[in-house]
Amino acid sequence: QKEVEQNSGPLSVPEGAIASLNCTYSDRVSQSFFWYRQYSGKSPELIMSIYSNGDKEDGRFTAQLNKASQYVSLLIRDSQPSDSATYLCAVPPGGSQGNLIFGKGTKLSVKP
Amino acid sequence: DADVTQTPRNRITKTGKRIMLECSQTKGHDRMYWYRQDPGLGLRLIYYSFDVKDINKGEISDGYSVSRQAQAKFSLSLESAIPNQTALYFCATSESLAGGTGELFFGEGSRLTVL
Repeated sequence: QKEVEQNSGPLSVPEGAIASLNCTYSDRVSQSFFWYRQYSGKSPELIMSIYSNGDKEDGRFTAQLNKASQYVSLLIRDSQPSDSATYLCAVPPGGSQGNLIFGKGTKLSVKP
Repeated sequence: DADVTQTPRNRITKTGKRIMLECSQTKGHDRMYWYRQDPGLGLRLIYYSFDVKDINKGEISDGYSVSRQAQAKFSLSLESAIPNQTALYFCATSESLAGGTGELFFGEGSRLTVL
């Protein structure tokens, strides 16, 4: 069974700080990686995707991928209370596109 | 209107009843999925379909069945509901492999309670 592991949290950071969310995955052939944000009672929405080793930046969000270590992270700079949500890491099994395996999510709380 | 629409949004039923959750999409995607979400367990895949004639079991298909009536419609059935099927159910879609990013687009969810 392919696995995606995340710390469940909750992770609490003060407003303006950097929030660091981590994810490890077991499938060495995985080629694409996704971070979804889910507000309580709402559906997940994609915030970042990354396919190559290194960093990918989009506004206040940076995804970091290290395929050798099977590790992907999400950094949120200048955290805002509106960033308070559960962040889900997702990986397609077997390196294919299609259905995703999700981690259990990390709950982030940004305190004003 | 939402691109991925689920009905009903909320449903309370009794053990042993047959329940159908419906999903329709206007995104023109070939691929459709049903996930369930339980507190502390994340999203788990029930069934997925890569086109109208292709249906595949996911991680937790026991007790569920699906029907892909058209490219835009994918329904999930619980033939005889049991209390541990109480969960939040999400339908999702994605583009086909060629040219697709792999991103899933989710419906708003259907909250099912089985008493």
